[in-house]
Amino acid sequence: EVQLVESGGVLVQPGRSMKLSCAASGFTFSSFPMAWVRQAPTKGLEWVATISTSGGSTYYRDSVKGRFTISRDNAKSTLYLQMDSLRSEDTATYYCTTGYFDFWGPGTMVTVSS
Amino acid sequence: DIQMTQSPSSISVSLGDRFTITCRASQDIGNYLSWYQQKPEKSPKLMIYRATNLEDGVPSRFSGSRSGSDYSLTINSLESEDTGIYFCLQHKQYPRTFGGGTKLELK
Repeated sequence: EVQLVESGGVLVQPGRSMKLSCAASGFTFSSFPMAWVRQAPTKGLEWVATISTSGGSTYYRDSVKGRFTISRDNAKSTLYLQMDSLRSEDTATYYCTTGYFDFWGPGTMVTVSS
Repeated sequence: DIQMTQSPSSISVSLGDRFTITCRASQDIGNYLSWYQQKPEKSPKLMIYRATNLEDGVPSRFSGSRSGSDYSLTINSLESEDTGIYFCLQHKQYPRTFGGGTKLELK
């Protein structure tokens, strides 16, 4: 059974940093591109970033480019999202998903507030 | 960026009714279009992939179709468990973009 479990979401002040993790199991992690998608409270879904199978290629939405870094450790079957210079508009539930958007984790809540 | 214009934004439907949600793509996305159902406090669930393919385990009353740049999700004979918010997603081009969502409620 495919499982994706996010962790690391907390309350953080604007301008600070946070790192999210996503532990994957039940599939060959290294064979799948992976992605992060977020959803602000009561809002729609917003793609954040995607990483290729090797990690050699990454893609970001404009609003997080230069602030967020997606990475992966295929040996640990884990996906990461390093978030720097956080803003209030980054407040959302962050979902880990495969790059084909077929399996999703339950999400982790990130709140950016002073 | 490719805009996905989804309609309607909300709808109330009676049990047993048939209804359709549509997403219009602002650029060519081929069949790189998926449909998701989201229940409150839950993550999205894939229902349809590549515009017309039913995901394993999804009831056959769900179907997807395409007409030019218009992509549709149809539910035949609505059941109470079908309530929730439905989103489309294009994954042809970066940035990946979602439709604004359709909230489906029972009348």
